[in-house]
Amino acid sequence: DTEVTQTPKHLVMGMTNKKSLKCEQHMGHRAMYWYKQKAKKPPELMFVYSYEKLSINESVPSRFSPECPNSSLLNLHLHALQPEDSALYLCASSQWTGGTDTQYFGPGTRLTVL
Amino acid sequence: AQKVTQAQTEISVVEKEDVTLDCVYETRDTTYYLFWYKQPPSGELVFLIRRNSFDEQNEISGRYSWNFQKSTSSFNFTITASQVVDSAVYFCALSEATLDSNYQLIWGAGTKLIIKP
Repeated sequence: DTEVTQTPKHLVMGMTNKKSLKCEQHMGHRAMYWYKQKAKKPPELMFVYSYEKLSINESVPSRFSPECPNSSLLNLHLHALQPEDSALYLCASSQWTGGTDTQYFGPGTRLTVL
Repeated sequence: AQKVTQAQTEISVVEKEDVTLDCVYETRDTTYYLFWYKQPPSGELVFLIRRNSFDEQNEISGRYSWNFQKSTSSFNFTITASQVVDSAVYFCALSEATLDSNYQLIWGAGTKLIIKP
């Protein structure tokens, strides 16, 4: 079963709010990813966790803070976001890291920053 | 440099027509992987296929087929007898099997496929 779940599906927040996005997978995958996708664009990689350790941070502003509490869970903590951060945030997982392994994506969280 | 080009921004066909989505890639390496993903309006990216550079056999899965040609650096995707449910944005992506790949997929810009009833 290739399933990645994400909550919430939709999120509206003000620029002073603090919120968190959650991602979960039960496929035994050891790599998890956060992507940001703007309308009509391909996904942009934000963070990669490998064996619960942050291995890639693609120069993402500090107002985005990832966390991997265990091998099945991935969180993205949001604080003091800007309206331009409004986007679809996608979580993905793969059995291993290395880019060549198939990444399975969740349904995404549509974030609107007012 | 790695690059994936999906020259067709949008394709519109009538249901039951066959349609081919083009994907052309550039890479310096001999070992690499190619992917196709489908993104319906709901937003989820659905994995369709992964193909490595040493396997040039064409793949068929139901109404879907893929034509991999290293000589032209293309990995095209054909939907036979299209259905309205095939309407989505389709992304082609490339990954090189090197340490320099930095775990990244190189994505094409996507092709929006509209199937009219």
